[in-house]
Amino acid sequence: AQRVTQPEKLLSVFKGAPVELKCNYSYSGSPELFWYVQYSRQRLQLLLRHISRESIKGFTADLNKGETSFHLKKPFAQEEDSAMYYCALRSGNTGKLIFGQGTTLQVKP
Amino acid sequence: NAGVMQNPRHLVRRRGQEARLRCSPMKGHSHVYWYRQLPEEGLKFMVYLQKENIIDESGMPKERFSAEFPKEGPSILRIQQVVRGDSAAYFCASSPPTNQGTLQYFGPGTRLTVL
Repeated sequence: AQRVTQPEKLLSVFKGAPVELKCNYSYSGSPELFWYVQYSRQRLQLLLRHISRESIKGFTADLNKGETSFHLKKPFAQEEDSAMYYCALRSGNTGKLIFGQGTTLQVKP
Repeated sequence: NAGVMQNPRHLVRRRGQEARLRCSPMKGHSHVYWYRQLPEEGLKFMVYLQKENIIDESGMPKERFSAEFPKEGPSILRIQQVVRGDSAAYFCASSPPTNQGTLQYFGPGTRLTVL
Protein backbone atom coordinates (compact mmCIF):
# COMPACT_ATOMS: atom_id res chain seq x y z
CA ALA A 1 0.00 0.00 0.00
CA GLN A 2 1.14 3.53 -0.69
CA ARG A 3 1.50 5.46 2.51
CA VAL A 4 3.29 8.41 4.06
CA THR A 5 3.93 8.49 7.78
CA GLN A 6 4.91 11.48 9.86
CA PRO A 7 5.28 10.09 13.36
CA GLU A 8 5.34 13.39 15.25
CA LYS A 9 2.24 15.56 15.51
CA LEU A 10 4.16 18.31 17.25
CA LEU A 11 7.83 19.19 17.37
CA SER A 12 8.88 21.97 19.68
CA VAL A 13 12.42 23.40 19.62
CA PHE A 14 14.19 26.56 20.70
CA LYS A 15 15.41 29.13 18.23
CA GLY A 16 18.84 28.20 16.92
CA ALA A 17 18.43 24.49 17.63
CA PRO A 18 18.61 21.90 14.85
CA VAL A 19 15.35 20.57 13.47
CA GLU A 20 14.50 17.24 11.91
CA LEU A 21 10.95 16.46 10.82
CA LYS A 22 10.57 12.79 10.08
CA CYS A 23 8.86 11.28 7.08
CA ASN A 24 8.70 7.64 6.05
CA TYR A 25 6.99 6.30 2.99
CA SER A 26 5.78 3.05 1.49
CA TYR A 27 5.74 2.87 -2.31
CA SER A 28 6.46 0.14 -4.83
CA GLY A 29 8.33 1.99 -7.50
CA SER A 30 10.53 5.00 -7.82
CA PRO A 31 9.15 7.55 -5.37
CA GLU A 32 8.79 11.26 -5.95
CA LEU A 33 8.60 13.09 -2.64
CA PHE A 34 7.76 16.60 -1.54
CA TRP A 35 7.59 18.74 1.55
CA TYR A 36 4.75 21.26 1.77
CA VAL A 37 4.43 23.96 4.40
CA GLN A 38 1.44 25.86 5.70
CA TYR A 39 2.15 29.02 7.68
CA SER A 40 -0.55 30.43 9.90
CA ARG A 41 -3.48 31.77 7.87
CA GLN A 42 -1.79 30.98 4.58
CA ARG A 43 -2.35 28.36 1.96
CA LEU A 44 -0.35 25.20 1.54
CA GLN A 45 2.79 25.82 -0.50
CA LEU A 46 5.56 23.69 -1.85
CA LEU A 47 8.75 23.88 0.20
CA LEU A 48 10.96 21.48 -1.69
CA ARG A 49 11.01 18.26 -3.69
CA HIS A 50 13.63 15.59 -3.73
CA ILE A 51 14.17 15.74 -7.49
CA SER A 52 15.48 19.29 -7.24
CA ARG A 53 17.96 18.53 -4.46
CA GLU A 54 17.65 22.16 -3.45
CA SER A 55 17.77 24.02 -0.18
CA ILE A 56 14.89 26.37 0.54
CA LYS A 57 14.90 28.70 3.55
CA GLY A 58 17.78 26.63 4.92
CA PHE A 59 15.80 23.37 4.78
CA THR A 60 17.10 20.25 3.06
CA ALA A 61 15.71 16.77 2.64
CA ASP A 62 17.47 13.69 1.35
CA LEU A 63 15.73 10.67 -0.03
CA ASN A 64 16.99 7.51 1.65
CA LYS A 65 15.61 4.57 -0.31
CA GLY A 66 17.14 2.01 2.04
CA GLU A 67 15.28 3.45 5.01
CA THR A 68 12.34 4.68 2.89
CA SER A 69 12.68 8.08 4.49
CA PHE A 70 12.64 11.70 3.41
CA HIS A 71 13.35 13.63 6.59
CA LEU A 72 13.35 17.43 6.54
CA LYS A 73 16.27 19.12 8.26
CA LYS A 74 17.46 22.55 9.18
CA PRO A 75 20.60 23.20 11.22
CA PHE A 76 19.36 26.33 13.02
CA ALA A 77 15.63 26.86 13.48
CA GLN A 78 14.13 30.36 13.29
CA GLU A 79 10.89 31.55 14.84
CA GLU A 80 9.45 32.20 11.39
CA ASP A 81 9.80 28.47 10.64
CA SER A 82 6.87 27.77 12.95
CA ALA A 83 4.23 26.18 10.73
CA MET A 84 2.57 22.92 9.77
CA TYR A 85 4.73 20.70 7.56
CA TYR A 86 3.40 17.94 5.32
CA CYS A 87 5.38 15.27 3.59
CA ALA A 88 3.79 14.03 0.35
CA LEU A 89 4.35 11.28 -2.19
CA ARG A 90 3.37 11.58 -5.84
CA SER A 91 1.46 8.50 -6.85
CA GLY A 92 1.32 7.12 -10.35
CA ASN A 93 1.05 9.01 -13.61
CA THR A 94 -1.88 11.19 -12.63
CA GLY A 95 0.15 13.14 -10.11
CA LYS A 96 -2.16 12.72 -7.15
CA LEU A 97 -0.41 13.32 -3.87
CA ILE A 98 -0.50 11.11 -0.81
CA PHE A 99 0.05 13.21 2.30
CA GLY A 100 1.28 12.40 5.75
CA GLN A 101 -0.70 13.63 8.73
CA GLY A 102 1.50 16.64 9.18
CA THR A 103 3.85 17.86 11.88
CA THR A 104 3.43 21.17 13.64
CA LEU A 105 6.80 22.79 14.18
CA GLN A 106 6.91 25.25 17.02
CA VAL A 107 10.07 27.32 17.37
CA LYS A 108 10.30 29.03 20.72
CA PRO A 109 12.30 32.21 21.29
CA ASN B 1 -1.70 35.71 -11.60
CA ALA B 2 -4.12 35.62 -8.71
CA GLY B 3 -3.41 32.07 -7.67
CA VAL B 4 -5.91 29.31 -7.13
CA MET B 5 -9.22 30.68 -5.89
CA GLN B 6 -11.78 28.80 -3.89
CA ASN B 7 -15.20 29.91 -2.78
CA PRO B 8 -16.84 30.06 -0.51
CA ARG B 9 -14.13 30.02 2.15
CA HIS B 10 -16.62 28.89 4.77
CA LEU B 11 -19.84 27.02 4.15
CA VAL B 12 -22.41 25.93 6.70
CA ARG B 13 -25.07 23.41 5.75
CA ARG B 14 -27.70 21.45 7.61
CA ARG B 15 -27.87 17.69 7.27
CA GLY B 16 -29.58 16.73 4.03
CA GLN B 17 -28.72 19.91 2.14
CA GLU B 18 -26.40 20.20 -0.82
CA ALA B 19 -22.96 21.76 -0.77
CA ARG B 20 -21.27 23.23 -3.83
CA LEU B 21 -17.61 24.11 -3.64
CA ARG B 22 -15.91 26.05 -6.40
CA CYS B 23 -12.32 26.12 -7.54
CA SER B 24 -10.85 28.47 -10.12
CA PRO B 25 -7.40 27.27 -11.18
CA MET B 26 -4.47 29.51 -11.92
CA LYS B 27 -4.43 31.07 -15.35
CA GLY B 28 -3.13 28.61 -17.91
CA HIS B 29 -3.72 25.59 -15.67
CA SER B 30 -6.02 22.94 -17.04
CA HIS B 31 -5.58 20.28 -14.35
CA VAL B 32 -7.43 20.35 -11.05
CA TYR B 33 -7.08 18.12 -8.00
CA TRP B 34 -9.46 18.02 -5.03
CA TYR B 35 -8.34 16.94 -1.57
CA ARG B 36 -10.22 16.60 1.70
CA GLN B 37 -8.81 17.14 5.16
CA LEU B 38 -10.80 15.69 8.01
CA PRO B 39 -10.10 17.01 11.52
CA GLU B 40 -6.75 15.85 12.88
CA GLU B 41 -5.83 14.15 9.60
CA GLY B 42 -3.70 14.88 6.56
CA LEU B 43 -5.05 15.79 3.15
CA LYS B 44 -6.56 12.91 1.21
CA PHE B 45 -6.89 12.84 -2.55
CA MET B 46 -10.41 12.78 -3.92
CA VAL B 47 -10.44 13.42 -7.66
CA TYR B 48 -8.32 14.65 -10.56
CA LEU B 49 -9.91 16.43 -13.49
CA GLN B 50 -8.88 18.00 -16.72
CA LYS B 51 -11.17 20.25 -18.71
CA GLU B 52 -14.41 18.31 -19.33
CA ASN B 53 -12.85 15.03 -18.18
CA ILE B 54 -12.57 13.11 -14.94
CA ILE B 55 -9.18 11.41 -15.05
CA ASP B 56 -8.96 9.76 -11.63
CA GLU B 57 -11.79 9.59 -9.11
CA SER B 58 -10.34 6.80 -7.01
CA GLY B 59 -10.60 8.86 -3.83
CA MET B 60 -14.20 9.93 -4.22
CA PRO B 61 -16.84 8.40 -1.94
CA LYS B 62 -19.13 6.21 -4.02
CA GLU B 63 -22.28 8.09 -3.19
CA ARG B 64 -23.37 11.72 -2.88
CA PHE B 65 -20.09 13.20 -4.17
CA SER B 66 -19.49 14.39 -7.72
CA ALA B 67 -17.07 16.71 -9.45
CA GLU B 68 -16.88 18.50 -12.75
CA PHE B 69 -14.56 20.85 -14.59
CA PRO B 70 -16.46 22.36 -17.50
CA LYS B 71 -14.93 23.95 -20.56
CA GLU B 72 -15.79 27.35 -19.16
CA GLY B 73 -15.91 28.27 -15.52
CA PRO B 74 -14.61 26.83 -12.28
CA SER B 75 -14.36 23.25 -11.16
CA ILE B 76 -17.22 22.27 -8.88
CA LEU B 77 -17.22 19.69 -6.11
CA ARG B 78 -20.78 18.82 -5.24
CA ILE B 79 -21.91 16.99 -2.12
CA GLN B 80 -25.54 15.96 -2.00
CA GLN B 81 -27.48 15.26 1.20
CA VAL B 82 -24.60 16.25 3.44
CA VAL B 83 -24.01 14.43 6.72
CA ARG B 84 -21.99 15.49 9.78
CA GLY B 85 -19.07 13.34 8.65
CA ASP B 86 -18.66 15.55 5.58
CA SER B 87 -17.48 18.41 7.79
CA ALA B 88 -13.92 19.02 6.68
CA ALA B 89 -11.64 21.37 4.82
CA TYR B 90 -11.71 20.85 1.06
CA PHE B 91 -8.69 21.98 -0.92
CA CYS B 92 -8.19 22.18 -4.61
CA ALA B 93 -4.90 22.41 -6.42
CA SER B 94 -4.13 23.20 -10.01
CA SER B 95 -1.21 22.38 -12.24
CA PRO B 96 -0.22 23.33 -15.76
CA PRO B 97 -0.75 20.80 -18.55
CA THR B 98 2.93 20.13 -19.08
CA ASN B 99 4.22 18.59 -15.87
CA GLN B 100 1.67 15.87 -15.03
CA GLY B 101 0.86 17.30 -11.66
CA THR B 102 4.40 17.49 -10.38
CA LEU B 103 3.88 21.09 -9.31
CA GLN B 104 0.51 21.60 -7.68
CA TYR B 105 -0.58 25.01 -6.45
CA PHE B 106 -3.12 24.98 -3.69
CA GLY B 107 -6.08 27.17 -2.99
CA PRO B 108 -6.95 28.45 0.48
CA GLY B 109 -9.57 25.77 1.03
CA THR B 110 -13.27 25.71 1.83
CA ARG B 111 -14.25 24.78 5.37
CA LEU B 112 -17.53 22.93 5.31
CA THR B 113 -19.48 22.62 8.54
CA VAL B 114 -22.53 20.39 8.63
CA LEU B 115 -24.92 21.08 11.48
